[in-house]
Amino acid sequence: DTEVTQTPKHLVMGMTNKKSLKCEQHMGHRAMYWYKQKAKKPPELMFVYSYEKLSINESVPSRFSPECPNSSLLNLHLHALQPEDSALYLCASSPLRGDEQFFGPGTRLTVL
Amino acid sequence: QKEVEQNSGPLSVPEGAIASLNCTYSDRVSQSFFWYRQYSGKSPELIMSIYSNGDKEDGRFTAQLNKASQYVSLLIRDSQPSDSATYLCAVKEEYGNKLVFGAGTILRVKS
Repeated sequence: DTEVTQTPKHLVMGMTNKKSLKCEQHMGHRAMYWYKQKAKKPPELMFVYSYEKLSINESVPSRFSPECPNSSLLNLHLHALQPEDSALYLCASSPLRGDEQFFGPGTRLTVL
Repeated sequence: QKEVEQNSGPLSVPEGAIASLNCTYSDRVSQSFFWYRQYSGKSPELIMSIYSNGDKEDGRFTAQLNKASQYVSLLIRDSQPSDSATYLCAVKEEYGNKLVFGAGTILRVKS
């Protein structure tokens, strides 16, 4: 298995909802990442996990809460989001932190 | 804040021509450089990695690195309409051990 999968593909949520994004890889990679990408902009790093421990939080608002239950899974819990949080949320993984990263297909999030 | 600069384009080339995409970076100690291709509405796809000065070829793609000039480029030979996409240059920031992306160059290959 040589890919990163993400679910759901699309998500529409209200500002009072709680939802979660899921990312999975079975390549044995020990680093996983969450990025946010707005239209016509490059990906913007949010969080980095290395060996299931959070190693980078790029000053992301607390309404975004990451979780790494095991070496293959990465979740992003969403609560009380704002319309400006609407974006493509990308998960990536790499063999080790700092190695070349492979992206999943992304979750297109719309906050109403 | 480390910077990665790319010309936003669009860069328009005729089918069959060579497309040349350029990227400069500010972090002098960077050692790892990547090119990603991103089709509209899709996620970035890694197409080339380069770590040493010189050229690295993979099919129709050639990455070129010049660390002294802090410059990395991507050449696409025999460009096809299917190559039309945004190309993102990414540089590994050695201190933070994370990728810094350029804004991307839009490539349009006209048939």
